[in-house]
Amino acid sequence: AQSVSQHNHHVILSEAASLELGCNYSYGGTVNLFWYVQYPGQHLQLLLKYFSGDPLVKGIKGFEAEFIKSKFSFNLRKPSVQWSDTAEYFCAVNALGNNRLAFGKGNQVVVIP
Amino acid sequence: DTAVSQTPKYLVTQMGNDKSIKCEQNLGHDTMYWYKQDSKKFLKIMFSYNNKELIINETVPNRFSPKSPDKAHLNLHINSLELGDSAVYFCASSRERDTEAFFGQGTRLTVV
Repeated sequence: AQSVSQHNHHVILSEAASLELGCNYSYGGTVNLFWYVQYPGQHLQLLLKYFSGDPLVKGIKGFEAEFIKSKFSFNLRKPSVQWSDTAEYFCAVNALGNNRLAFGKGNQVVVIP
Repeated sequence: DTAVSQTPKYLVTQMGNDKSIKCEQNLGHDTMYWYKQDSKKFLKIMFSYNNKELIINETVPNRFSPKSPDKAHLNLHINSLELGDSAVYFCASSRERDTEAFFGQGTRLTVV
């Protein structure tokens, strides 16, 4: 079964700082990879996704993520965060044919103005 | 237009009651899901339907019963509610089984 690991559950940083959230998964086959964001009190929204092609994917709101197959990783980055980026960030993996998204435990990111 | 809509948004009920949560998607997707988010924000899949057919049924108490009357609807019925059922329940849909999921606003269930 696929599993997803996200470290540093709580992240606190100041505006304009850079953000990187790690995501590792355990599955040897082909996977689709996603990052979702959940703003306080809201539902999950897709930030970006990787299915194939260029391993560096760009998403909404200045976020990007890099798929490194050899490391089974899909880390999320943003060069300069804003207060409005305060949210919970979830990495998710879908192993092809598995019919489900497996989520990591999330990173709670707090950006201080 | 809301793509994936759930009702109700909040549900407070007593232990032992039976309740339902409704979900509808207007995206024309073939696959729908129910996820449970616990108090620590951990998301876990409960059920998945594809074209009204149940394809995933995780280890969920049989007090939980999904029903899909058509491709656009996936309702969740819960019998004999327990305190531990308190959580946020998210409905989601996807165009195909392995593509990204679109989530509803969630239903915050509180059992007292």
